[in-house]
Amino acid sequence: DAKTTQPPSMDCAEGRAANLPCNHSTISGNEYVYWYRQIHSQGPQYIIHGLKNNETNEMASLIITEDRKSSTLILPHATLRDTAVYYCIVRSPNTGNQFYFGTGTSLTVIP
Amino acid sequence: DGGITQSPKYLFRKEGQNVTLSCEQNLNHDAMYWYRQDPGQGLRLIYYSQIVNDFQKGDIAEGYSVSREKKESFPLTVTSAQKNPTAFYLCASSPRNRARTDTQYFGPGTRLTVL
Repeated sequence: DAKTTQPPSMDCAEGRAANLPCNHSTISGNEYVYWYRQIHSQGPQYIIHGLKNNETNEMASLIITEDRKSSTLILPHATLRDTAVYYCIVRSPNTGNQFYFGTGTSLTVIP
Repeated sequence: DGGITQSPKYLFRKEGQNVTLSCEQNLNHDAMYWYRQDPGQGLRLIYYSQIVNDFQKGDIAEGYSVSREKKESFPLTVTSAQKNPTAFYLCASSPRNRARTDTQYFGPGTRLTVL
């Protein structure tokens, strides 16, 4: 299964865009990139997923590079409630489509 | 309204006792999962089930057992054989396990403390 690398922590000013990077240089052509977030002591919350095209929903945008070796999750206008740990996950059919959660990026939104 | 419920939110047990964590979903999802999370760590898969009366071990199944007698229920038993049972336990479900685009939805979690 493709591994992901994320910075352990990031800060973002309230109201600004938060750009969270993820490297997945060994990703295969049939593997999707998923993003979840986890607010302290709660269950992870699904944000967005994509294969190779950029995706946008009401929560965030996902930008995947053309070679698919990295992606960026963008929260366009971060609020204090966006403070959480963000997980980038590559989901592989080779491992039964399981989700493998690493340690993620701890995002702190600063007033 | 639809969702995944886990009960209780906090659970305390004495060392050497078995304890069963509840997970119920009314989303009509086929697949259900149990994860364990330790402080500052990611989630690790304990067991998963794709259909009723069938389940598979995940990465850290030792010391745990599950059953899937009903589609909506997937209880997890933490046995006395589990060396470090104190952790945050998360249950999830998804419509189908085989599809790459199926999303997993998580419950609120149960924090188990063994004294």
